[in-house]
Amino acid sequence: DAGVIQSPRHEVTEMGQEVTLRCKPISGHNSLFWYRQTMMRGLELLIYFNNNVPIDDSGMPEDRFSAKMPNASFSTLKIQPSEPRDSAVYFCASSLRASGTGELFFGEGSRLTVL
Amino acid sequence: GESVGLHLPTLSVQEGDNSIINCAYSNSASDYFIWYKQESGKGPQFIIDIRSNMDKRQGQRVTVLLNKTVKHLSLQIAATQPGDSAVYFCSRPGYALNFGKGTSLLVTP
Repeated sequence: DAGVIQSPRHEVTEMGQEVTLRCKPISGHNSLFWYRQTMMRGLELLIYFNNNVPIDDSGMPEDRFSAKMPNASFSTLKIQPSEPRDSAVYFCASSLRASGTGELFFGEGSRLTVL
Repeated sequence: GESVGLHLPTLSVQEGDNSIINCAYSNSASDYFIWYKQESGKGPQFIIDIRSNMDKRQGQRVTVLLNKTVKHLSLQIAATQPGDSAVYFCSRPGYALNFGKGTSLLVTP
């Protein structure tokens, strides 16, 4: 299995631009998670989906952030407009079990730099 | 709410020594814990888990100890190697999905 696939691996953009991060979970997994990792806050949960339905988005920082999961094999995290403080590594993870009750399989991450 | 916290943000050990990374939790109503390892430039990866009906679980060079009385678990790495340098997270699946900052283990020659 290829594991969780994220793209792009690196993104450099200017403040105000729209950023779209993509994730392909492991086939057959029922849950998908978006995390953000910074030195200040560590690895924090932004949102997660069970069977393509958003369950908990309380970690999404503000309305500039949105996430979708149109089908079981694809999810996006969008930031519009982006700001320098959004610079971080964004991880997608998937799990066979719902609501994070089992092992999470993480992708390699997308490193975002907003200038 | 549930909180799971690592005790030390950084830990430095000499190659060949044993490492101990500690973690505390607050809620007794749980049955499952997972330790993850995050190497530089990669996502966290599962290394070992333990259920609350166990006090100890051993893997290859790693041991998890669970003390339910004081709500504490530890990850022990025997004969620490340079490849063990990473950030380690303890997690409580289904209860606390934020991983926090973890403990950064640095192995020195």
